[in-house]
Amino acid sequence: GIQVEQSPPDLILQEGANSTLRCNFSDSVNNLQWFHQNPWGQLINLFYIPSGTKQNGRLSATTVATERYSLLYISSSQTTDSGVYFCAVERNQGGKLIFGQGTELSVKP
Amino acid sequence: EAQVTQNPRYLITVTGKKLTVTCSQNMNHEYMSWYRQDPGLGLRQIYYSMNVEVTDKGDVPEGYKVSRKEKRNFPLILESPSPNQTSLYFCASSSPSLNQPQHFGDGTRLSIL
Repeated sequence: GIQVEQSPPDLILQEGANSTLRCNFSDSVNNLQWFHQNPWGQLINLFYIPSGTKQNGRLSATTVATERYSLLYISSSQTTDSGVYFCAVERNQGGKLIFGQGTELSVKP
Repeated sequence: EAQVTQNPRYLITVTGKKLTVTCSQNMNHEYMSWYRQDPGLGLRQIYYSMNVEVTDKGDVPEGYKVSRKEKRNFPLILESPSPNQTSLYFCASSSPSLNQPQHFGDGTRLSIL
């Protein structure tokens, strides 16, 4: 099956810093999503981005499908950005998402 | 508002006492899934359904049942819960149409004592 690897596993930032999270996947996919899991455990959908680039405020994401990776950029980080960021991919399996292990981000004031 | 609703959000119960976690979506999605999240193991699919009366096993189906009698509902049933089913559970729905993200519920924290 498809393997999804995220890096780095952990990241500590000072408030205001920028960061880049990476997601590598081992096969072609028809869906890629980035999620933020907040301290209450909720999975917040950040981007649906099987290819191309999208931006939403301080966050942006780029997926290069031909090279099988996606990047999530966080600019001017805030303490509320803390949590775990997951990348998940789908490959024509009835809605089955394969999740990476996540990047745990901690933003210090 | 488009949403996936799970109930309950939290439950503490005892081994062997049957329980059901409900999931409902209001987006007329064909696909629905259940996942569990465990430390060190990430999120894994339990069961999925591609339409009414069509369900299939995911990666970790043991100890669970599901049904899909109506398009909007996809309950997860634990007939005889055991402590190893203590976990955070998520229901998700999506449409097989292109360019459609999956929508997740807020999660259900189950503790089986």
